[in-house]
This record gives sequence, structure tokens and C-alpha cells, in this order.
Amino acid sequence: AQKVTQAQTEISVVEKEDVTLDCVYETRDTTYYLFWYKQPPSGELVFLIRRNSFDEQNEISGRYSWNFQKSTSSFNFTITASQVVDSAVYFCALSEAGLTGGGNKLTFGTGTQLKVEL
Amino acid sequence: GAVVSQHPSRVICKSGTSVKIECRSLDFQATTMFWYRQFPKQSLMLMATSNEGSKATYEQGVEKDKFLINHASLTLSTLTVTSAHPEDSSFYICSASRGLRETQYFGPGTRLLVL
Repeated sequence: AQKVTQAQTEISVVEKEDVTLDCVYETRDTTYYLFWYKQPPSGELVFLIRRNSFDEQNEISGRYSWNFQKSTSSFNFTITASQVVDSAVYFCALSEAGLTGGGNKLTFGTGTQLKVEL
Repeated sequence: GAVVSQHPSRVICKSGTSVKIECRSLDFQATTMFWYRQFPKQSLMLMATSNEGSKATYEQGVEKDKFLINHASLTLSTLTVTSAHPEDSSFYICSASRGLRETQYFGPGTRLLVL
């Protein structure tokens, strides 16, 4: 069975600070996908990134960066120079590369509420 | 892009009535759509997976007669909450995927309040 753990329930930072959101996962599959989604107060889940298990290269997109380490089963997300608009709940999710159906089930973590204050 | 819409965004209904929620993929064909439920300050709970043209697969504990799902085309799936009761009040979110091992893109969600 797969599992995603986001140990940080809530994080508060002051604007311009860097913040890292932790994500640890468990899976028995050798092929899987990891995701981060952002859920602002409006409720919509915004896709941020998808990573497959064979690609451990870290990725940077503007102020966002992701650190994928298979050795520790972690896929952490860092926001550099945080802004008030970054305030949201962030979900880490895992999908195993099953062979049935179109698209695969996502297992979500419990989410981390990020509050960025002025 | 990958845009998914949901309608309505918010609905208030009386206990005992049925409510239909639509999920549409606007700029791509979705082989599979997923329906989730989210309670306040909690994570998303998968309710069912629907593939175009076939019956939905429900997660354990989700009543299929209560939550009717139809995925009649590659761009539209509907969730009907039948005989809604106050405990069905929740935030319902759909997602759509282009195919096997593809990313799920989420709709904006529907807030249901049953009085």
C-alpha cells in the first residue's frame, strides 16, 4: 500500500523568507509518480509539478524548487522569497504506475497549510 | 493547457432533493475522471473513478446508489447526489486525466450545503 506523509500541518513565515515543505512517501512499486498541488482558499487544486521515479534531478521553476531523493523517499518543496500569494494548502501526492485504466489513483498527504505574513 | 470546469460552484438544497454536479475537461479529452470529497481542513478522499463509456469504480465505503456517476463522453462526467442529507454537505472536486499514467487536473470544486 502506498502512503504519503506531510508531517508539517501548518507553517507560518514572514514574506521574503524561504520555506521548505516536507513530503515523505512509501510505495512498493519501482515505477511511480510524485506530485505537488496547491490549494488556495478558493478551493481549486492547482497542479505544480509531476516527477517520475526514474528522474531524480532536482527541478527549479521560478521561486519554486523540488528536491527528490529516493534514498530517503522524500520529495520536498521549497519556496524561495515567499510572498503572501503563496499562502495556501499544499498537497504532496503519489501515483503508482499501474496498468489499468486511464490515469491512476492519487494518494494524497494530509496537506501543509502555509501562511505567509507581511 | 489542461482546464477542468465544474458546475455549479456552490449549491444549497433541501434535504431529500437530488443534486447534479458537472465536470468538464475544456481543452482536452479525458479518458478518466475522478471524483473526490473534501471535508474542512482535511485531505481529499477519492470517491470513485470513471472511465468514459463504462461504469464507475467506487472506493470502499462509498454508496454507489447514493452517488451516481455518469461519464458519457470524453469531456463530461456528472456526479448526482441522490436524496441528499445534511451529512452529504461537503466540497466535491473532480479531476480529469488524458490517459494512463497521465497527470490529473482538477476542477474548481463544488460546495454543497444540504439544509
